[in-house]
Amino acid sequence: NAGVTQTPKFRVLKTGQSMTLLCAQDMNHEYMYWYRQDPGMGLRLIHYSVGEGTTAKGEVPDGYNVSRLKKQNFLLGLESAAPSQTSVYFCASSGRGSETQYFGPGTRLLVL
Amino acid sequence: AQKVTQAQTEISVVEKEDVTLDCVYETRDTTYYLFWYKQPPSGELVFLIRRNSFDEQNEISGRYSWNFQKSTSSFNFTITASQVVDSAVYFCALGVTGNQFYFGTGTSLTVIP
Repeated sequence: NAGVTQTPKFRVLKTGQSMTLLCAQDMNHEYMYWYRQDPGMGLRLIHYSVGEGTTAKGEVPDGYNVSRLKKQNFLLGLESAAPSQTSVYFCASSGRGSETQYFGPGTRLLVL
Repeated sequence: AQKVTQAQTEISVVEKEDVTLDCVYETRDTTYYLFWYKQPPSGELVFLIRRNSFDEQNEISGRYSWNFQKSTSSFNFTITASQVVDSAVYFCALGVTGNQFYFGTGTSLTVIP
């Protein structure tokens, strides 16, 4: 039972490049979330999904897109990376809203 | 508006001392959930506890205890007889209707041997 996994673990991008972060969970959870963590700011919600085929904006959605084509996967896309998107990205999943969220190990992204 | 405040940015204690991490939350929802997570130096986020707004009973788990007081909108976390392995960043979080979580900015705890 792997829980929540994230791919890749670390990535360096140049400004303007695009990339997709993959989150996978094997707990059959309905809800999935993408957060970013920046020094001194805690975790901020980017986008979330309450089920396959549905997504919604969180606190800081600008510059990101998401897709939930399969229940177990939640993809986070950066179409044109900017240095301000340098951060650690965490994916989480939960059975239902407000239930405990279980987090992946994080993806460290550096945009030059 | 929903908000979680962890006023203590950094705390240092000597091993075996007790330490309390403060968490104050704001919400107009009558049903909500409160959480504590631990982030050790390795970076992962580890779930510690979940409390719903209707359950004000304090909880103790080994050296950890939590004090939930709706009257002061606080959900404080105490570590008794701290150990070096307790060194981490601790986050308090609020879960409300609408499926969103709101995290505090975290308290960095250093336990000095």
